[in-house]
Amino acid sequence: GQNIDQPTEMTATEGAIVQINCTYQTSGFNGLFWYQQHAGEAPTFLSYNVLDGLEEKGRFSSFLSRSKGYSYLLLKELQMKDSASYLCAVLDSNYQLIWGAGTKLIIKP
Amino acid sequence: DAMVIQNPRYQVTQFGKPVTLSCSQTLNHNVMYWYQQKSSQAPKLLFHYYDKDFNNEADTPDNFQSRRPNTSFCFLDIRSPGLGDAAMYLCATSRDPSGGYNEQFFGPGTRLTVL
Repeated sequence: GQNIDQPTEMTATEGAIVQINCTYQTSGFNGLFWYQQHAGEAPTFLSYNVLDGLEEKGRFSSFLSRSKGYSYLLLKELQMKDSASYLCAVLDSNYQLIWGAGTKLIIKP
Repeated sequence: DAMVIQNPRYQVTQFGKPVTLSCSQTLNHNVMYWYQQKSSQAPKLLFHYYDKDFNNEADTPDNFQSRRPNTSFCFLDIRSPGLGDAAMYLCATSRDPSGGYNEQFFGPGTRLTVL
């Protein structure tokens, strides 16, 4: 079967750094996405990795290791508005997105 | 701005009363998706259209139907909503995943309540 694992919930402090991990087992791989979802809202695109390595975009960075079936999302200089769920999703061999259940990130002052 | 629009944002229906949710896009994307998302769960793909080709997920109940009359519009029909169908329904589009355009763009969602 296909499976995406990520922690259910994480807590961090405003101004700090947090790393959200994602491991996956899918039938094929055509890239990994990170989406941010605020409560009651639709997911919004954060990053896309298809090659191994680190992609940096402002305060957010995403890393991929295809051999390990592993990715992480790194958030720096945390702000209160970063409180949200972060969803990891893998595009499988049929170009279907396989979603993780999301990691709820709680930012404390 | 090019975007994905869903109407209504909030929908209340009664148990067993048919309901239709709508989605439109100004992105001119080939693919349109309907997802169901329940609280603290991953979005669950119900079906998608690649242009006019309809693709139903194997575990999507027959209670859920979809129509795509043209490139811009896609509808989700729930023929006899049950209490378990209360959820957020997300419409998304993508240009052509197999052609390397993989990102999915989401509408704001319709939150369905079943009384």
